[in-house]
Amino acid sequence: DQQVKQNSPSLSVQEGRISILNCDYTNSMFDYFLWYKKYPAEGPTFLISISSIKDKNEDGRFTVFLNKSAKHLSLHIVPSQPGDSAVYFCAASWDSGGGADGLTFGKGTHLIIQP
Amino acid sequence: DVKVTQSSRYLVKRTGEKVFLECVQDMDHENMFWYRQDPGLGLRLIYFSYDVKMKEKGDIPEGYSVSREKKERFSLILESASTNQTSMYLCASSLLINTGELFFGEGSRLTVL
Repeated sequence: DQQVKQNSPSLSVQEGRISILNCDYTNSMFDYFLWYKKYPAEGPTFLISISSIKDKNEDGRFTVFLNKSAKHLSLHIVPSQPGDSAVYFCAASWDSGGGADGLTFGKGTHLIIQP
Repeated sequence: DVKVTQSSRYLVKRTGEKVFLECVQDMDHENMFWYRQDPGLGLRLIYFSYDVKMKEKGDIPEGYSVSREKKERFSLILESASTNQTSMYLCASSLLINTGELFFGEGSRLTVL
């Protein structure tokens, strides 16, 4: 059962426009969400995160929005640049009270920025 | 600068061989993880460790084992490699177990023939 879903395997956006990547989750216990970016033949790198006590977090061109009632988060990239072309993974976690579960990742969205 | 180093970037092994994938981190992190990445399946957690000599199964532990003898080193072992274990293997470490940022290595691309 997939707890973190990225329903768009790929997304193509023109350079300079806004890129919006979406992520849905089913586990209401999740309370921390992260976005990772991955280039081919490299490990994923952390991009931005948000705690469930917030509904928005911004870092330069990257903004993550969290809608807890809809169990939905999105990553906005404005303006999109060629170097943003990569696979983006949404990830979620929750404090299991002494246990340790790591992060649950979505399947990823391949963002392609067109010149 | 933080660093997670995976010993082999590319490996080719035969079915039935024993495979060791080594990972070393220099950040004094308590927690270390092994994921595999497959097209269309994303990153799936194989095993993780939150302390030396401690290990926990992730979502897909079958066919794998791990070893954490020292804090900085976390090894993934395929006792008898099979073709369905052909994948990209990613090691990661973190300071906090659930809310911390994961730092990933560059990955080890394993092909089992």
